[in-house]
Amino acid sequence: ETGVTQSPTHLIKTRGQQVTLRCSSQSGHNTVSWYQQALGQGPQFIFQYYREEENGRGNFPPRFSGLQFPNYSSELNVNALELDDSALYLCASSYWGETDTQYFGPGTRLTVL
Amino acid sequence: DAKTTQPTSMDCAEGRAANLPCNHSTISGNEYVYWYRQIHSQGPQYIIHGLKNNETNEMASLIITEDRKSSTLILPHATLRDTAVYYCIVSPLSNDYKLSFGAGTTVTVRA
Repeated sequence: ETGVTQSPTHLIKTRGQQVTLRCSSQSGHNTVSWYQQALGQGPQFIFQYYREEENGRGNFPPRFSGLQFPNYSSELNVNALELDDSALYLCASSYWGETDTQYFGPGTRLTVL
Repeated sequence: DAKTTQPTSMDCAEGRAANLPCNHSTISGNEYVYWYRQIHSQGPQYIIHGLKNNETNEMASLIITEDRKSSTLILPHATLRDTAVYYCIVSPLSNDYKLSFGAGTTVTVRA
């Protein structure tokens, strides 16, 4: 069984740039959720994707967007990066159809300068 | 909008049981209690979850009070590798649930 993987591991961007983060779901999972974790805080829910559509969103502006692909992998896109976007971005997968636990990937550390 | 209260930190001796308390006095009838932990700079790791009965797996035991207003996660024989931030979360076990993390409890296991 393959776990959740994320790429890249680390990323450095400058303010105003755009970034794309990627996530591959655990095998057998069809739902992906994204979380942002600022330093010293717990993860905060960004949004969830199921059947290639956004299904629930936390308190994040529209410049945070995502995609889910037919193979259930996912991307998180952030436009017009701000310094406060510096954080660990976590992807979690689960199975919709039977209520199931969310399993997290290792995260992508984004630094905005 | 975390709905749980946990101590900020606690220490535990290696080889001893670690008992992590969590208060969730406003828990609803359809909400489960989840526990995750996060070792430094890694993604959160699922530990266990339960509704009203006590649960046990290979990692830990979860004891939920009869009124469901509080619970305790028990690590039976703590090791140095159990040093982590432990999060207690309440959430309905539905298809579209999200996890609302609080600050968690920083557990340090000492040799």
